Amino acid sequence: GAGVSQSPSNKVTEKGKDVELRCDPISGHTALYWYRQSLGQGLEFLIYFQGNSAPDKSGLPSDRFSAERTGGSVSTLTIQRTQQEDSAVYLCASSLGETGQYFGPGTRLTVT
Amino acid sequence: RKEVEQDPGPFNVPEGATVAFNCTYSNSASQSFFWYRQDCRKEPKLLMSVYSSGNEDGRFTAQLNRASQYISLLIRDSKLSDSATYLCVVKVRGYQKVTFGTGTKLQVIP
Repeated sequence: GAGVSQSPSNKVTEKGKDVELRCDPISGHTALYWYRQSLGQGLEFLIYFQGNSAPDKSGLPSDRFSAERTGGSVSTLTIQRTQQEDSAVYLCASSLGETGQYFGPGTRLTVT
Repeated sequence: RKEVEQDPGPFNVPEGATVAFNCTYSNSASQSFFWYRQDCRKEPKLLMSVYSSGNEDGRFTAQLNRASQYISLLIRDSKLSDSATYLCVVKVRGYQKVTFGTGTKLQVIP
């Protein structure tokens, strides 16, 4: 079946602009996660959604970052007033129950 | 102490060799464990779950040692295509949030 998809695959934006990144999880997966990964670094947890529960936003680095998950499916990560240090690969993953997470291919964000 | 710790490597091994990685975790309430591989500039891919009794998938064997709080991954008969970074992942009982290790880099040499 279809895996996790993310769009766009690449995004170049100017410093100060807002960006929206989209994630379509695997159908039926109740948990959805956002991470980011800078070049050569490990995964940095940002936020996760579990069913209808309040999201765990503990990893968001600043109030410029926000995320929504509509209808328990698609999620959008929004970064306002982008800064150069926001440049990274943003990865989305989904899971069901006690299974491992399945990742999308990521969005490579470059802030110039 | 970090929640999940891995030796970053790199581990440079010849083709056909057997190599093992360990990953230690600090939270004794950890319940689920996984190994992922990540190729350069790609997303992590689930390699295998780690069960209490240990499990094997072809050339790969994963084991859990709860007493010493570590998991291991053994790769037999290494192939060039095994070259990647191997991430261990730990999930605490009752929480969906997981913790990723920073990964161990493996380079299989011809």
